[in-house]
Amino acid sequence: NAGVTQTPKFQVLKTGQSMTLQCAQDMNHEYMSWYRQDPGMGLRLIHYSVGAGITDQGEVPNGYNVSRSTTEDFPLRLLSAAPSQTSVYFCASSYRGGTSEQYFGPGTRLTVT
Amino acid sequence: ELKVEQNPLFLSMQEGKNYTIYCNYSTTSDRLYWYRQDPGKSLESLFVLLSNGAVKQEGRLMASLDTKARLSTLHITAAVHDLSATYFCAVDMWGREGGTASKLTFGTGTRLQVTL
Repeated sequence: NAGVTQTPKFQVLKTGQSMTLQCAQDMNHEYMSWYRQDPGMGLRLIHYSVGAGITDQGEVPNGYNVSRSTTEDFPLRLLSAAPSQTSVYFCASSYRGGTSEQYFGPGTRLTVT
Repeated sequence: ELKVEQNPLFLSMQEGKNYTIYCNYSTTSDRLYWYRQDPGKSLESLFVLLSNGAVKQEGRLMASLDTKARLSTLHITAAVHDLSATYFCAVDMWGREGGTASKLTFGTGTRLQVTL
C-alpha cells in the first residue's frame, strides 16, 4: 500500500491564483481530513469528510473548498490564494473516526507571494 | 473552545535521563493521540489513548491519560539521541459535538533535543 499520498510536494503561487492540492489513500479509509501547520504551531483542521459525498468544515475553513466524490480522493482547493495561506498542508485518513489511528501524508509546502 | 497546552515547549535533555511532557486540555474528552514529527517530515502516530486511565508503552516512551484531570503525559525513559523530534498531543472531540467525525485539536508541540 502507498498509504496517503499528496501532490505536489512544493508549490509557489502568486496572490489571487487558485490551485488544487491532491490527496489520495489506498487503505479504503472512510475518514479523511486536511490540516495546515504554521511555524511554531500545531496542526489546525481545515475540512474533513466522513465518506464519499460528505464533507464538513473544521477550525479554519475560510478560503478553502473540498469535495469527496470517491473514497480514495480528497482534494483541497484554494480559491484565491493569499499570503496568509502560506503553510504546510497535511492530508490524513483513518478507518473511521473516534477510535482509529490517523495516517498522515507527506505534506505539501505552499508559499504564496 | 477547546484549548490544548503542552509543556514544556522545548526540552533539552541528556542521554540516559528521564523526563515527562505534559498535555493539558480544557474540555472533556476521552480520546487523545500522541504524534512524533521529525524536521521537514510528516507526523507519525505514537499512541492512541481511548479511555480514562489508559496507559500505553512503546520502547522508551510511555503515554497515559487522566480524563478527570484533563491531562495526558508522555514519559521518556533513558533518553537516546534518536528520540530527538517534536512531539504533539492531539485531543479528539469525537462524539462530543455530534456526528461520527474525529476533530483533532493539536497542542503546539514539544521540541525534544537529546544531547550526547
